[in-house]
Amino acid sequence: AQSVTQPDIHITVSEGASLELRCNYSYGATPYLFWYVQSPGQGLQLLLKYFSGDTLVQGIKGFEAEFKRSQSSFNLRKPSVHWSDAAEYFCAVGAEDNNDMRFGAGTRLTVKP
Amino acid sequence: GAVVSQHPSRVICKSGTSVKIECRSLDFQATTMFWYRQFPKQSLMLMATSNEGSKATYEQGVEKDKFLINHASLTLSTLTVTSAHPEDSSFYICSAIRRPRGRIDYEQYFGPGTRLTVT
Repeated sequence: AQSVTQPDIHITVSEGASLELRCNYSYGATPYLFWYVQSPGQGLQLLLKYFSGDTLVQGIKGFEAEFKRSQSSFNLRKPSVHWSDAAEYFCAVGAEDNNDMRFGAGTRLTVKP
Repeated sequence: GAVVSQHPSRVICKSGTSVKIECRSLDFQATTMFWYRQFPKQSLMLMATSNEGSKATYEQGVEKDKFLINHASLTLSTLTVTSAHPEDSSFYICSAIRRPRGRIDYEQYFGPGTRLTVT
């Protein structure tokens, strides 16, 4: 079965600074990769997804992520963080042969003024 | 975008009683729905996969007799926590798969969650 590792439990960045959240996956076949954001009291919102094609995917709210097969990674980036980006971010991997999705432990983002 | 609703959003029940949580896909049909459990400041733990018209598939360690799942239609799945105990208190989240016709990709839409407190 697939699995996901998010090495950073908590990250703090200053508003306006760049951001990179790390995600590593383990799966023997072609992975389907996702990034979700969960704000306090809110449901999960899909930021972006990768299924095939261009390995650099653009998402909502100015986020992007790059799939690197050689590194089994799918890191999330944003060039300039806004205070409203403070939230919990989850990386997830789904399987090509079924819809099973596994989540990483999450990374909590704090944005300093 | 697609919408998934959950009802109730919050429920408090006494120990030993049963609680039913509904998950509905409002504007699409979902042959597959998932039920997750999320503990405070932790990730989502997949409990079971619910397939319309068939028995749910439970993850290892999840008691199927305690967490009853019924996927009665293409837009509704229910999770019933039977004989609830305080340790069942948690945030339960459902999701539904939407697979556009003719495409290989899919999206998983999440409900807003149900906060269960067992006293």
